[in-house]
Amino acid sequence: AQKITQTQPGMFVQEKEAVTLDCTYDTSDPSYGLFWYKQPSSGEMIFLIYQGSYDQQNATEGRYSLNFQKARKSANLVISASQLGDSAMYFCAMREEGSSNTGKLIFGQGTTLQVKP
Amino acid sequence: GAGVSQSPSNKVTEKGKDVELRCDPISGHTALYWYRQSLGQGLEFLIYFQGNSAPDKSGLPSDRFSAERTGGSVSTLTIQRTQQEDSAVYLCASSLDRQFVMNTEAFFGQGTRLTVV
Repeated sequence: AQKITQTQPGMFVQEKEAVTLDCTYDTSDPSYGLFWYKQPSSGEMIFLIYQGSYDQQNATEGRYSLNFQKARKSANLVISASQLGDSAMYFCAMREEGSSNTGKLIFGQGTTLQVKP
Repeated sequence: GAGVSQSPSNKVTEKGKDVELRCDPISGHTALYWYRQSLGQGLEFLIYFQGNSAPDKSGLPSDRFSAERTGGSVSTLTIQRTQQEDSAVYLCASSLDRQFVMNTEAFFGQGTRLTVV
């Protein structure tokens, strides 16, 4: 079963506008963490933001914020004031705590974001 | 260096040959992951090492794939009798995963690009 679903293979956004990248997840574990990573064309994986399942507030890191809707099992990434350098592939990932300390990090299929000047 | 180091960065091999890919994690990181990424695709989980626990091998695609982690540090991913469909970028990551602590990000190496001809 797919644990992490990113339904947008590709997205376009105009420079300086905000964009939302969707992520839904599936887990029965009450304790889990959600991560977003950015992968530019250079191939490196860059950690952006983290949200814990017990966190009361949505995570924010600079221009990145996470719209966490626990009941809907969604963790959408919002990028405000898009910049040309934001053009990249974006991955949502989840780690479940599990009962045996095997909380591996599982990734979605990614969304390619292109920022237009 | 302070980051995750992978070698070689590129590997071209003939179909049927065995290959070994190496990963040097960040010093002190207890967890180590291997992922596979085909061009423009998501990260496919392969294997997860966490401390002294038995590795989670649930993502290995066939018995031609194996991995070991010696002394809780360096890891080697071995692919026997390589096939053309094994061509991909193999990414290694490490983190300070601990039970009940979910917010430990994974740090990635630059990957090994494997081409089977």
